Amino acid sequence: GAGVSQTPSNKVTEKGKYVELRCDPISGHTALYWYRQSLGQGPEFLIYFQGTGAADDSGLPNDRFFAVRPEGSVSTLKIQRTERGDSAVYLCASSLDSSYNEQFFGPGTRLTVL
Amino acid sequence: AQKVTQAQTEISVVEKEDVTLDCVYETRDTTYYLFWYKQPPSGELVFLIRRNSFDEQNEISGRYSWNFQKSTSSFNFTITASQVVDSAVYFCALSEITQGGSEKLVFGKGMKLTVNP
Repeated sequence: GAGVSQTPSNKVTEKGKYVELRCDPISGHTALYWYRQSLGQGPEFLIYFQGTGAADDSGLPNDRFFAVRPEGSVSTLKIQRTERGDSAVYLCASSLDSSYNEQFFGPGTRLTVL
Repeated sequence: AQKVTQAQTEISVVEKEDVTLDCVYETRDTTYYLFWYKQPPSGELVFLIRRNSFDEQNEISGRYSWNFQKSTSSFNFTITASQVVDSAVYFCALSEITQGGSEKLVFGKGMKLTVNP
């Protein structure tokens, strides 16, 4: 079956611009997570969705970051007024539910802010 | 707060050597899960194992084995008879229950393994 997909695979933007990153989880997975991975580091949690609602957004670095999952499937991570420090790989993961189940990761979107 | 430490940042071995990747964790939870993920050059994180805090039995899967010791808060990973295809960055992770009762993963910084022919 299809795994977690993310688009685009690469995104280059200029400082100050708005970007949207998309995640398509595995069908039937109710839990969806966004992580950010900077060069040479492990992934860091950003936000978690259970169904359509953001159950935990404590990892979002500031209010320029926002994510939605309106129909409980596809999720979009939105970054306003991008800064150079936002450059990283943004990873999406999904799991069957939130109860200690294995998280399956997508290939990530590499965001570069010039 | 939860913390995962992978003290080794990079290891280089010759094919067929055994190699052990160390992982030490900190948590106040009594129930938690530990994970290992592999990240090959392609970038996608590949799940290797999940182990719950109540099961300290060692586990073996082919050339891979894991040693979980609660007394030392360690969850080490050994690759036996390493192969070039094992070259990747390996991450140890710990589950953490967040506000709202969800689960998120706290990752170590990763350890880059290079297996030379």
